Amino acid sequence: DAGVIQSPRHEVTEMGQEVTLRCKPISGHNSLFWYRQTMMRGLELLIYFNNNVPIDDSGMPEDRFSAKMPNASFSTLKIQPSEPRDSAVYFCASSLRTGGSNGYTFGSGTRLTVV
Amino acid sequence: SQQGEEDPQALSIQEGENATMNCSYKTSINNLQWYRQNSGRGLVHLILIRSNEREKHSGRLRVTLDTSKKSSSLLITASRAADTASYFCATDAIGSGYSTLTFGKGTMLLVSP
Repeated sequence: DAGVIQSPRHEVTEMGQEVTLRCKPISGHNSLFWYRQTMMRGLELLIYFNNNVPIDDSGMPEDRFSAKMPNASFSTLKIQPSEPRDSAVYFCASSLRTGGSNGYTFGSGTRLTVV
Repeated sequence: SQQGEEDPQALSIQEGENATMNCSYKTSINNLQWYRQNSGRGLVHLILIRSNEREKHSGRLRVTLDTSKKSSSLLITASRAADTASYFCATDAIGSGYSTLTFGKGTMLLVSP
């Protein structure tokens, strides 16, 4: 398996533009997580899905952020409109189960810069 | 808020020395996990220790868990330059329903040749 695949690896966009980040989890994993990493706040859980259903999106900063998982092999995180404070590295991770009894497998992340 | 807090924030050692990182957490847990993150990469799962375990080994890694003190330590023996990375602890808290891992802010380890 190629692991968790995220695209793009880097994204530079202007304030106000829409940004879409993509993730392909490991086949057979039924839990998917979106995290955001910054120096100030560390790793923050934004939202997670179990069997393609959003379970908890309380970590999503505001309505500008939305996430979907239309099928077991694909998820998107969208920011519209983007702002400079959204600049961070966004990670997608997948796991066999939502609970932490299994480790998480992380993608390589998308480094987002909003100017 | 962060469930786990690593200590120290940064650690610099020479190759061949041992590196010890500590993690403290606040609530009761099912298990605690350690991850490594190389610069510009995603986190990689290293080892998981369950709440009923006190010590676990994996290669040059040794993890201890003290649930009475709500703390864990990660020991890397005979460190190598390739061990240079950030190390995070993550906790799976006891609770009802779905649970997720909560990560600390990490310890940045620099191993010099």
